[in-house]
Amino acid sequence: DIQMTQSPSTLSAFVGDRVTITCRASQSISSSLAWYQQKPGKAPNLLIYQASTLESGVPSRFSGSGSGTEFTLTISSLQPDDLATYYCQQYNSYSWTFGQGTKVEIK
Amino acid sequence: EVQLVESGGGLVQPGGSLRLSCEASGFTFRSHWMHWVRQGPGKGLVWVSHINTDGSTTNYADSVKGRFTISRDNAKSTLYLHMNSLRAEDTAMYYCARVRGGRVDPVYGESYYYFYGMDVWGQGTTVTVSS
Repeated sequence: DIQMTQSPSTLSAFVGDRVTITCRASQSISSSLAWYQQKPGKAPNLLIYQASTLESGVPSRFSGSGSGTEFTLTISSLQPDDLATYYCQQYNSYSWTFGQGTKVEIK
Repeated sequence: EVQLVESGGGLVQPGGSLRLSCEASGFTFRSHWMHWVRQGPGKGLVWVSHINTDGSTTNYADSVKGRFTISRDNAKSTLYLHMNSLRAEDTAMYYCARVRGGRVDPVYGESYYYFYGMDVWGQGTTVTVSS
């Protein structure tokens, strides 16, 4: 199975900061990568698919990039509503796998 | 409104069985691949299983292979997860999720599916395995 590794596991930043989360795949997954946001006590929500395509309704401060084995999720200006855990997920192989998650805290 | 509603969770003893259901509404259920994803207490998301549009193709995580069975009833717009030989480590919130994607039927060559992640999720149902 393809392993997905996210970093950091936790990050703390101020409102207005630019925040970047990295996701690495154990083998090439082309652009078959999605990012999800999960707020406390809620189901996950699709933010980005195909590595860089923003889901409808998602604020434009979120962006994704990368291909192959290295990907990033960027929040250009962190907002209080962005308090959540973020997960990457690959869907290139028959068995889909998630990263372990990155918890974003507001300072 | 596009919606997925899970049910069937509860407390079960180790070695027991449970059937989860996921009722879909607001979209053409039979056109979408579906997945089950679980999340242990305080843990991350873990993919469990998927099923194709007509139920003829399924796949499972190694941790549940041989114990869990995914199925669907397109006439009832409902997805199922049959769980047998439950273990303490199966304790989790179980989510069903819809796959965004479609099928391409080229003029030449075989048909294939493309996927763009899981775009609709249920609220989850909790399974607790404990004596």
